Amino acid sequence: EAQVTQNPRYLITVTGKKLTVTCSQNMNHEYMSWYRQDPGLGLRQIYYSMNVEVTDKGDVPEGYKVSRKEKRNFPLILESPSPNQTSLYFCASSSYLEYNEQFFGPGTRLTVL
Amino acid sequence: AQSVSQHNHHVILSEAASLELGCNYSYGGTVNLFWYVQYPGQHLQLLLKYFSGDPLVKGIKGFEAEFIKSKFSFNLRKPSVQWSDTAEYFCAVTPPDMGRRALTFGSGTRLQVQP
Repeated sequence: EAQVTQNPRYLITVTGKKLTVTCSQNMNHEYMSWYRQDPGLGLRQIYYSMNVEVTDKGDVPEGYKVSRKEKRNFPLILESPSPNQTSLYFCASSSYLEYNEQFFGPGTRLTVL
Repeated sequence: AQSVSQHNHHVILSEAASLELGCNYSYGGTVNLFWYVQYPGQHLQLLLKYFSGDPLVKGIKGFEAEFIKSKFSFNLRKPSVQWSDTAEYFCAVTPPDMGRRALTFGSGTRLQVQP
């Protein structure tokens, strides 16, 4: 089954404790992206990757890092989480053939205390 | 900056009522347009998309949307809603180039259908 998976689905952590949210897709997509969803703001892009070893900032990159060492994986790293990073995070992927039609993962609800 | 406006934040309808959710975008060039739906506790799913051609596009589950270029609008419609349509609906736009491809989302419309 074609899908985007994220882990963990739920995470409660404390300020300053480094964490990683994993994202993996099995569709051989070149493009992957991270969004955060906040009430009243819709989804905003954090980082994106056009292909392996190619990443760039989205609209709200502060406080986040990403890496793209393999085509299927695109982890989101919070080196020192803060309460304003409490949010619902979605990973998405798409191919060049169907560019702009992005497939979303199930979401990760993160709470930073 | 590119932006997307969804006029209704919360809509409550009875089953069998007709639905129209507004979406306007501000972007000077050609855009690709999308409607996504998020059912309670689930991830976003694509309802329909417009890239070019016929401005009236049909999607899954009986939804359709009309692209009106002169009004910068892409409103979502359904003639008769069901209780199972209760969800949050997001309009999104992106330029069709091979660049960043970020979807710019509206703030969402929460639809509640009462049986």
